[in-house]
Amino acid sequence: QSVLTQPPSVSGAPGQTVTISCTGGSSNIWAGYDVHWYQQFPGTAPKVIIYGTKKRPSGVPDRFSGSKSGASASLAIAGLQPEDEADYYCQSYDSSLSGNWVFGGGTKLTVL
Amino acid sequence: QITLKESGPTLVKPTQTLTLTCTFSGFSLNTRGMGVGWIRQPPGKALEWLALIYWDDDKRYSTSLKSRLTISKDTSGNEVVLTMTNMDPGDTATYYCAHTTWEVLSNWFDPWGQGTLVTVSS
Repeated sequence: QSVLTQPPSVSGAPGQTVTISCTGGSSNIWAGYDVHWYQQFPGTAPKVIIYGTKKRPSGVPDRFSGSKSGASASLAIAGLQPEDEADYYCQSYDSSLSGNWVFGGGTKLTVL
Repeated sequence: QITLKESGPTLVKPTQTLTLTCTFSGFSLNTRGMGVGWIRQPPGKALEWLALIYWDDDKRYSTSLKSRLTISKDTSGNEVVLTMTNMDPGDTATYYCAHTTWEVLSNWFDPWGQGTLVTVSS
């Protein structure tokens, strides 16, 4: 299993806000390491949509936002649109195993 | 604009060694702060970080796969090679390389190559 825990799936209707959680531990998120989020469509490479916990690359809509509290981080998607349907992964750094970059298990977002 | 592309065999036999090459443009691994990472994704499963190399030849490996992995860069600063020994059907995955920069509080990977599917089967 992944060092970072995400719900396998979330869903929401167009226009709603959904939140995807990413829970880590004392050697990664709680230790202060940044969290990054990736969006992946079937058959394509992941693309970063949030870096440094809450920063958005240019071109990413401000409907996407990131936050962190304690050992958990969250990705919020406001004003859900059909094209947001994708897999989402969180990623951070874990200092417990001689240094490893770690990913969450991924969350499938379904737009109803 | 940074682009990366993975190349290598699409099919390897169990116990063989896999060699993948990441060829990139838009940055140089001879530039301070630059790095390239390898990440894989088994079909229908999650992403898994494998290895990373920095401009100064600092190399990092996944603890669980360290004994099987070797990452290296060429002197021109535009190519990175990953080798994985003793391949097993469980190593069947899409292998990605991605650009990264050194950060105090955790690197992220951006952009990624298109990925290359490697199947391990006899």
